Amino acid sequence: DQQVKQNSPSLSVQEGRISILNCDYTNSMFDYFLWYKKYPAEGPTFLISISSIKDKNEDGRFTVFLNKSAKHLSLHIVPSQPGDSAVYFCAGRLADRGSTLGRLYFGRGTQLTVWP
Amino acid sequence: NAGVTQTPKFRVLKTGQSMTLLCAQDMNHEYMYWYRQDPGMGLRLIHYSVGEGTTAKGEVPDGYNVSRLKKQNFLLGLESAAPSQTSVYFCASSYPTPQTSGRTHEQYFGPGTRLTVT
Repeated sequence: DQQVKQNSPSLSVQEGRISILNCDYTNSMFDYFLWYKKYPAEGPTFLISISSIKDKNEDGRFTVFLNKSAKHLSLHIVPSQPGDSAVYFCAGRLADRGSTLGRLYFGRGTQLTVWP
Repeated sequence: NAGVTQTPKFRVLKTGQSMTLLCAQDMNHEYMYWYRQDPGMGLRLIHYSVGEGTTAKGEVPDGYNVSRLKKQNFLLGLESAAPSQTSVYFCASSYPTPQTSGRTHEQYFGPGTRLTVT
């Protein structure tokens, strides 16, 4: 059963507007959440992360919001640009007890298309 | 600084054939991982390694073996390929990061290997 869910396979947004990508999770033991961006024929690249003890993290045009009570997080991109068109993956990190290792559990991804 | 590289980029196998995928990283990372990505699915962890000479199973380890003889290399082997192993395989690496380190806990990914088993 998927522990991280991205229920919208695709999102289309006009350039300059806000893109909001959503993610839900079931495992309350995740200690971090990460967003990755993936272009075709390339590997995923890290975008932004948030600790489970925070509710917001911002980096330039990208902001991630975490609602622990709802087990929900969202990535906001403002303003959206055509170069943002990619697949966005949400991932939850589960730390091995007593270890610095954390496994990532990925959602299925959301294809964002930003049109001019 | 090449980051994470994967060899080969593409491969077509017949059912029952074997092959090895090679991952190399030049960032001196302790941890390395192998994932697979199938259409409409997220990345799923196959095996991982926390250091030279150590490996462990992830979510979907069946049909695969791994070895980490050198810190910078992580090999993924398919002993007898099956059509269900048609997928895109990604290698990743990371530093050890304590939970309270304030680090992002990111993993760095390679460009992927597209494998088709007929």
